[in-house]
Amino acid sequence: QKEVEQNSGPLSVPEGAIASLNCTYSDRGSQSFFWYRQYSGKSPELIMFIYSNGDKEDGRFTAQLNKASQYVSLLIRDSQPSDSATYLCAVNMVSNYQLIWGAGTKLIIKP
Amino acid sequence: DAGVTQSPTHLIKTRGQQVTLRCSPKSGHDTVSWYQQALGQGPQFIFQYYEEEERQRGNFPDRFSGHQFPNYSSELNVNALLLGDSALYLCASSLASGATDTQYFGPGTRLTVL
Repeated sequence: QKEVEQNSGPLSVPEGAIASLNCTYSDRGSQSFFWYRQYSGKSPELIMFIYSNGDKEDGRFTAQLNKASQYVSLLIRDSQPSDSATYLCAVNMVSNYQLIWGAGTKLIIKP
Repeated sequence: DAGVTQSPTHLIKTRGQQVTLRCSPKSGHDTVSWYQQALGQGPQFIFQYYEEEERQRGNFPDRFSGHQFPNYSSELNVNALLLGDSALYLCASSLASGATDTQYFGPGTRLTVL
């Protein structure tokens, strides 16, 4: 059973601090890793994707991938109240067209 | 550049009825995936359509069926609705030949089965 695990939270972070979200996956054949943000009642919105080990930065967001340890993380710098949402981790393999999803981590940014 | 669109936005049905949900992919995309998302859960893969054929299917019963049209738009049909089918149904589009397999989501259809 291929699985993606996330801490359900809620994760509470003060405004302006760094929020760190983690995701582990079970299938070593996983190739593509995605972070989506989902506001309550809305559909998932792509934040970032990463394929290679290491860090990938986009504005206030940094994705980190460690394939040896089978985890991927998302850092949000200078957290804003508008970052309060559920963050979903999704994983894909080259030979598999579907995305395998975690249940999401609820992030709350306290003003 | 038009994004992924879905219709209807909300739908209320009763048990045993049938429902059809529609999706138009993002401009330039040729692949459509359908997901079911229950409250507090991550999306669950239903199936993916490419070149008007079902390319892969998740762990959903045959009551769930779909179709892709030559213009790449897609429909999701659910027969003999159960209370447990109440969920947010998400359509995502992607480009099969693209450098990435990134999927972009539509706004979703909220289905309530009474």
